[in-house]
Parts: sequence; C-alpha cells; structure tokens
Amino acid sequence: QSALTQPASVSGSPGQSITISCTGTSSDVGAHNSVSWYQQHPGKAPKFMIYDVSNRPSGVSNRFSGSKSGNTASLTISGLQAEDEADYYCSSYTNSRTVIFGGGTRLTVL
Amino acid sequence: EVQLLESGGGLVQPGGSLRLSCAASGFTFSNYAMSWVRQAPGKGLEWVSSISGSGGSTYYADSVKGRFTISRDNSKNTLYLQMSSLTAEDTAVYYCAKDALGTIPDQFDYWGQGTLVTVSS
Repeated sequence: QSALTQPASVSGSPGQSITISCTGTSSDVGAHNSVSWYQQHPGKAPKFMIYDVSNRPSGVSNRFSGSKSGNTASLTISGLQAEDEADYYCSSYTNSRTVIFGGGTRLTVL
Repeated sequence: EVQLLESGGGLVQPGGSLRLSCAASGFTFSNYAMSWVRQAPGKGLEWVSSISGSGGSTYYADSVKGRFTISRDNSKNTLYLQMSSLTAEDTAVYYCAKDALGTIPDQFDYWGQGTLVTVSS
C-alpha cells in the first residue's frame, strides 16, 4: 500500500498560518477518523500532535489544528514560530487493520 | 512519566536475524496496544507491526510479513520484535510506540528514542 500523499515541503513566515494536506483513499483516511499528525525535529523521535482528526493531546499548543474532508486530512499551524520548523507526518488506520503514514512534509519557517 | 527504551539494534549481515526489545514504564503496559515504526536514513516513517494489549492479536506490514514477529511479555513490561531474513531495505531506526487510546493500535502518543538496525556485509 502506497504512503499517504503529503507535499514535500511548505514554508511560511513567523506569525503566518500554513496548512499541510494528507491525501489517502476511501480505504484509509476516508474510512476512519483515526487520523493523526506527528512532528519530528532532526535526530529526534516523532511527537504526537493531533489524534482522531482534530483532537490535541494535552500539552500541544492550540496553534495546531486538524480537519478532514473526504479522503484528505489537513494540519493547520497558525501563528508560525521558529520552533515549528520540523518534519510533519500524517497517519491513518486502514481497512486492512494496518497503519499507513504520509511521506512527510518539511516545514520551513522563513 | 511514560518511558520507552529500545535496545538490541546493531550491525547484521544480509540474511541474518536480530531481536529488538522495548522496556516500558510509567503506564499499565498490558492495557495498551504497542507498535514498531521504522525510519530508513533520510526517509519517512513506516509502520512495521502492532500487537494488542493481551498479545492475542498481531498485525504486520506486507514488507515484513513472514519475516518479523512481534511479541510482548506483560509480566516484564517489554515489547519485542524478532527480525529474520534481513535485507538492506530493513536498515532503519526502529521506534517502539505506545497506542494512544488503548485497544486498536492506530495512533501513537509516546515513542522511544529509537534503535538503529544496519543490514550490511
């Protein structure tokens, strides 16, 4: 099964908002609300940022928000800050009872 | 505080075997599904395998099915990944991850620091 489709890179200036898309199929993103997002800084383990499409774990800034429409999920980061510069990955549960990740998006804060 | 500590990585020859371990603490281990996720050098995350809290259900990516075996010892709070018939494509950092909501292994709220597996002659 191919990875979920994410843009390779996005960028924004401090204070701006950016959105990262994550496109799957009717067998994964479109079929389940178990869509999550992870932030990964270089050399570090991924950090859990969003679960069940739009829920934030305790401790995650409310500048991070998630949504889904059909087969595409999205992560929006508002009020960009320098420390948001990282790789972001989406994931989804699938009808095959597996998990699939997106290819990852490199966020650059200009 | 939840802690996941992987061990067992290293250099192995193609066709060889390796067993990874993940020692868990800070939560009721048996209540949560656990998973292995890997990341090849410079590449993205790839889900490898998951196991239910009881150990009665296991799930594998097609890329490792038949070669890798996931297991757990709830008395020792430890997760394992037995890897065999290794190829260069298995070279990656392997992360142990705890399921966020408990039952279905689908979203991961805590991750270990990772252990590097290098398959090379």
